[in-house]
Amino acid sequence: EVQLQQSGPEVGRPGSSVKISCKASGYTFTDYVMNWVKQSPGQGLEWIGWIDPEYGNTDYAEKFKKKATLTADTSSNIAYIQLSSLTSEDTATYFCASGEGFDYWGQGVMVTVSS
Amino acid sequence: DIQMTQSPSSLPASLGERVTISCRASQYISNNLNWYQQKPDGTIKPLIYYTSNLQSGVPSRFSGSGSGTDYSLTISSLEPEDFAMYYCQQDANFPRTFGGGTKLELK
Repeated sequence: EVQLQQSGPEVGRPGSSVKISCKASGYTFTDYVMNWVKQSPGQGLEWIGWIDPEYGNTDYAEKFKKKATLTADTSSNIAYIQLSSLTSEDTATYFCASGEGFDYWGQGVMVTVSS
Repeated sequence: DIQMTQSPSSLPASLGERVTISCRASQYISNNLNWYQQKPDGTIKPLIYYTSNLQSGVPSRFSGSGSGTDYSLTISSLEPEDFAMYYCQQDANFPRTFGGGTKLELK
């Protein structure tokens, strides 16, 4: 059974960074890209970008190029997203989703930016 | 970027009713259109890929159709578990973009 288990909720101060994880199981981690999606409170879904875990190649939506950094650890089958220079606009739930077709989704991680 | 416009944004409906949600792309996307369901607890489930193909385990009351820039999701007979948010998404171009969502609620 494919599962994407994300880390717990995070609170970050304005200007700081947070790093959240997405542990994949039930499939070969390097066979599929991992997408990251943002959902601001009460809002819709925004694609942040994706990473190919096998080669480490990444692609980002323009608005997230200076905000998000995607990495992957193939030894532990974990994908990460780091969000930097946090502002209130970064308060949101962040999902990982595997495959070009977003075939499997994590449960989401709530990131709250607060001083 | 390709803009995806869903309508309606809210859809009151009754159990057993047939409903249709529309999704329009700002440019031709060649059937590269997917649908997702989000439950109130936040869980997101893929429903349909490439316009009309049901994901594994999705009930046959769900169907998708469309071409060019106009697509739709139809639920033939609403069950209690179908009341949720629905999003379309294009994967014809980067960046991938989603529609604004349709909230299917009990009338």
